[in-house]
Amino acid sequence: KAGVTQTPRYLIKTRGQQVTLSCSPISGHRSVSWYQQTPGQGLQFLFEYFSETQRNKGNFPGRFSGRQFSNSRSEMNVSTLELGDSALYLCASSRDRAEDTQYFGPGTRLTVL
Amino acid sequence: SQQGEEDPQALSIQEGENATMNCSYKTSINNLQWYRQNSGRGLVHLILIRSNEREKHSGRLRVTLDTSKKSSSLLITASRAADTASYFCATDDFGSEKLVFGKGMKLTVNP
Repeated sequence: KAGVTQTPRYLIKTRGQQVTLSCSPISGHRSVSWYQQTPGQGLQFLFEYFSETQRNKGNFPGRFSGRQFSNSRSEMNVSTLELGDSALYLCASSRDRAEDTQYFGPGTRLTVL
Repeated sequence: SQQGEEDPQALSIQEGENATMNCSYKTSINNLQWYRQNSGRGLVHLILIRSNEREKHSGRLRVTLDTSKKSSSLLITASRAADTASYFCATDDFGSEKLVFGKGMKLTVNP
């Protein structure tokens, strides 16, 4: 089975811009979770989608949003980028539940200048 | 908020030695998982231990869980340079329907 894929792998944006990141889960996995990883805050949960519905959400401002399509692929969007949004954004998929074993993609490294 | 806290935060050992990492958590859990992350890349799942299990093995990995102390340990035996990575414990906040990761522990295995 192909693993979780994320595109793009690297992204450089400037403050105020918006960005969309994409994640394709492992075939058959219906739960997709997104995490932000920074040196200072560690791995922070953003949100989880299951069957095109946001099932859970972390403590991030409304500038962070996401969606899931009928084929389980997911996108996350960050609007009005701030310097502090520079991070590694990781997507993970699991079969049904976010608490189950998660399979991570390689991440998208976002740099905001 | 962080649930698991790994200890120590960094560990440097020689190849062939054993490495032990500890994780403490705060709330009741259904399971506890350990993940490994090589520099700047995605996390790789290592092992899952359920709350009704006390010990689990997978190759050179041994995980213990003490729910009365709300702690877990990950033992890597006969370490290799390739084991150099950051290690994270993750717990499911009981009823929260999500995984919460600790801040991670950096292991360096010197050849």
